[in-house]
Amino acid sequence: NAGVTQTPKFRILKIGQSMTLQCTQDMNHNYMYWYRQDPGMGLKLIYYSVGAGITDKGEVPNGYNVSRSTTEDFPLRLELAAPSQTSVYFCASSASLTGVRNQPQHFGDGTRLSIL
Amino acid sequence: AQKITQTQPGMFVQEKEAVTLDCTYDTSDPSYGLFWYKQPSSGEMIFLIYQGSYDQQNATEGRYSLNFQKARKSANLVISASQLGDSAMYFCAMREGPSNYQLIWGAGTKLIIKP
Repeated sequence: NAGVTQTPKFRILKIGQSMTLQCTQDMNHNYMYWYRQDPGMGLKLIYYSVGAGITDKGEVPNGYNVSRSTTEDFPLRLELAAPSQTSVYFCASSASLTGVRNQPQHFGDGTRLSIL
Repeated sequence: AQKITQTQPGMFVQEKEAVTLDCTYDTSDPSYGLFWYKQPSSGEMIFLIYQGSYDQQNATEGRYSLNFQKARKSANLVISASQLGDSAMYFCAMREGPSNYQLIWGAGTKLIIKP
């Protein structure tokens, strides 16, 4: 039972490089999210998607791009990496909402990214 | 103003004691949901418990219960009979509205269980 899978788990980038963080889920969830977690802090939403072909900005989208061509996959692209993007990145997914119901977000194990 | 406030940056608790982790929230929407997540040192985020604003009873899940005081806008997590494996960061999060899928997160509380 894989759930949400993120790759890679660790990565070091040089300033100005680009990379794509991969996220795939096998729960047929419509909603997917990308968060970043800075040391000692809670999660901040970067981008989210409510279904294939639909994405929107979260709280901290600058410097990132996403796409959602399938229900399963939601890659996060970093262009021109900067030291401020050093963080742990989490991908999450959740089922569609029916009112205010217990529909928790299920998380991947995270990607630790360092920009040097 | 902070939407989710966790006032305890860190706590030390003796093993087998009960522990209460505080969470207060701020919303004007009558329909909302509150979540607690655990993040061990290994880094993954684990869903623990959920409380809906219209739920009549406080949520319980095994050793976890939620002390939900709606008038005070607090949703404290109670862990009974704490274990060494409960040492982790704990995050409170809120979803506002019946169709809003985004979560607003608190800064977390680091819980350390002493043997």
